[in-house]
Amino acid sequence: SQQGEEDPQALSIQEGENATMNCSYKTSINNLQWYRQNSGRGLVHLILIRSNEREKHSGRLRVTLDTSKKSSSLLITASRAADTASYFCALSARQLTFGSGTQLTVLP
Amino acid sequence: DAGVIQSPRHEVTEMGQEVTLRCKPISGHNSLFWYRQTMMRGLELLIYFNNNVPIDDSGMPEDRFSAKMPNASFSTLKIQPSEPRDSAVYFCASSLGQWDTEAFFGQGTRLTVV
Repeated sequence: SQQGEEDPQALSIQEGENATMNCSYKTSINNLQWYRQNSGRGLVHLILIRSNEREKHSGRLRVTLDTSKKSSSLLITASRAADTASYFCALSARQLTFGSGTQLTVLP
Repeated sequence: DAGVIQSPRHEVTEMGQEVTLRCKPISGHNSLFWYRQTMMRGLELLIYFNNNVPIDDSGMPEDRFSAKMPNASFSTLKIQPSEPRDSAVYFCASSLGQWDTEAFFGQGTRLTVV
């Protein structure tokens, strides 16, 4: 399968806590991207990590990539209620294919 | 730029009718993607254009679905005839490069076939 598989499917945390979402895949990739989708809206790009990179930061986001294990993680630090959304990993390998997503709920 | 623009935002149609979804990509972007999102199947890539040419249409479910990109600023996804199982949210996205760069999504068209 060219899709990534996110874990967990759903995550509920308190505001201020950190949220970690994982993505595993089976194919070779050029890069891996993370997107966010608020309910009823389109997807918004968060961060792109290339296959030769191991870690990348953007504000409160930290993404890691382990190509030997074919896995990536997205860490959101000091979460806020406004971070409540679905988060998807997307694999770039001759197509851009999305996983099933993690539904994150941040409770105020 | 206003971003990727899709129309209509909502479409309700009767089974058997033709449905046309429209997309205006971001100016200067040379790749365009059509995705379908359902609860059961998640986000599925239907077709991908690069420089107005269809590169990969392996995700198009069946012959009832067709997509065109007559120029760099416009694309359509047509379903004829429509069926209730086509009900989904259809997203258009565009990017500067090919599948290896950031994709910008439209707000989607929610299609309901009754």
